[in-house]
Amino acid sequence: SQQGEEDPQALSIQEGENATMNCSYKTSINNLQWYRQNSGRGLVHLILIRSNEREKHSGRLRVTLDTSKKSSSLLITASRAADTASYFCAKQRPGGGNKLTFGTGTQLKVEL
Amino acid sequence: NAGVTQTPKFQVLKTGQSMTLQCAQDMNHEYMSWYRQDPGMGLRLIHYSVGAGITDQGEVPNGYNVSRSTTEDFPLRLLSAAPSQTSVYFCASIAWGGPGLEAFFGQGTRLTVV
Repeated sequence: SQQGEEDPQALSIQEGENATMNCSYKTSINNLQWYRQNSGRGLVHLILIRSNEREKHSGRLRVTLDTSKKSSSLLITASRAADTASYFCAKQRPGGGNKLTFGTGTQLKVEL
Repeated sequence: NAGVTQTPKFQVLKTGQSMTLQCAQDMNHEYMSWYRQDPGMGLRLIHYSVGAGITDQGEVPNGYNVSRSTTEDFPLRLLSAAPSQTSVYFCASIAWGGPGLEAFFGQGTRLTVV
């Protein structure tokens, strides 16, 4: 299975701190995406990084990709209580067509 | 902008009953998919469709059927519900952009089979 693993499974931080979560995968990818899921809701697309990119930014989000280590990280800077959610990485792989393979997610709790 | 609409939001079934989970999108996307989400398992692909009249199996298709008669609708049918199908079901519609595809998700259907 292409399913990646995310770690940590759960992360609790104080508001204003940075949150880092990691995603590993097993085979080559075309791109890797991060999604956020608020409790009881559907997933929302955050950011996409292509396999030939090493770093990407979007607002307070920073994503890195290391294809040699088959891993990616999502950094949320200056976290807010509203960032409390589960975060999933999803991989699109060569020859996989339009399929996305999701990891198991990191539950982030940002406390006031 | 409705995006992806799933109905119902909650459902309780008895073992052996059948039902259809509805999914509709208004973004004219060709590609749609169904996932189930279970604790500690992430999202697993059940079935997907690359356009009207074309469907294929995902990772966990057993016990489910799909059809795609129009671009907008992609219903998921449970043929004979089992407790193992208790889960949260998400429908996703996929958009293709320059860097790759992006999934738009519905709000989910929480299904309990007793």
